[in-house]
Amino acid sequence: NAGVTQTPKFQVLKTGQSMTLQCAQDMNHEYMSWYRQDPGMGLRLIHYSVGAGITDQGEVPNGYNVSRSTTEDFPLRLLSAAPSQTSVYFCASSYLGNQETQYFGPGTRLLVL
Amino acid sequence: GENVEQHPSTLSVQEGDSAVIKCTYSDSASNYFPWYKQELGKRPQLIIDIRSNVGEKKDQRIAVTLNKTAKHFSLHITETQPEDSAVYFCASHNYGQNFVFGPGTRLSVLP
Repeated sequence: NAGVTQTPKFQVLKTGQSMTLQCAQDMNHEYMSWYRQDPGMGLRLIHYSVGAGITDQGEVPNGYNVSRSTTEDFPLRLLSAAPSQTSVYFCASSYLGNQETQYFGPGTRLLVL
Repeated sequence: GENVEQHPSTLSVQEGDSAVIKCTYSDSASNYFPWYKQELGKRPQLIIDIRSNVGEKKDQRIAVTLNKTAKHFSLHITETQPEDSAVYFCASHNYGQNFVFGPGTRLSVLP
């Protein structure tokens, strides 16, 4: 049971480039989410999904797209990277019941030059 | 929507002393309150959680208390050790809603 996995661990992009951050979980969790964490700050929700084919925006969705074609995978796409998107990105998942624990992936550290 | 405040933002204690971090929330319907520990460069890891039908929960040196009337919950770490040094995040959750996190507390345990 690998839990929540993320790739890559670290990425450098130039302004304007696009890329996809991968997230997968093998716990059959319905709920998956993406957060960004900036230095010295908390976790801000970017997008989330409550099941395959269903996605919605969080607190800071601009510049990011998501899709959920399977229960296991929830990729995050940066359409045109900007220096303001330099951050650490965490994927998380949980069951969709009441009072369910959320588990985090190891994170992707992104630097946009 | 839900708002979670967390205090203090930084906390330094001597090894062996106790540490207390307090969070307040605004949505009275919230019913699940986890605490996460994040070491430098690592992912947030769940260390303890409490559900709304419980007032206190303890796991070895860590305890969490919940006051639903006042809408606050606290993390208590006793006999602190250097390895307790990390950033701690509280969160609140209500069924059908997203998790809302506090801004974090940086705990330093001085040897």
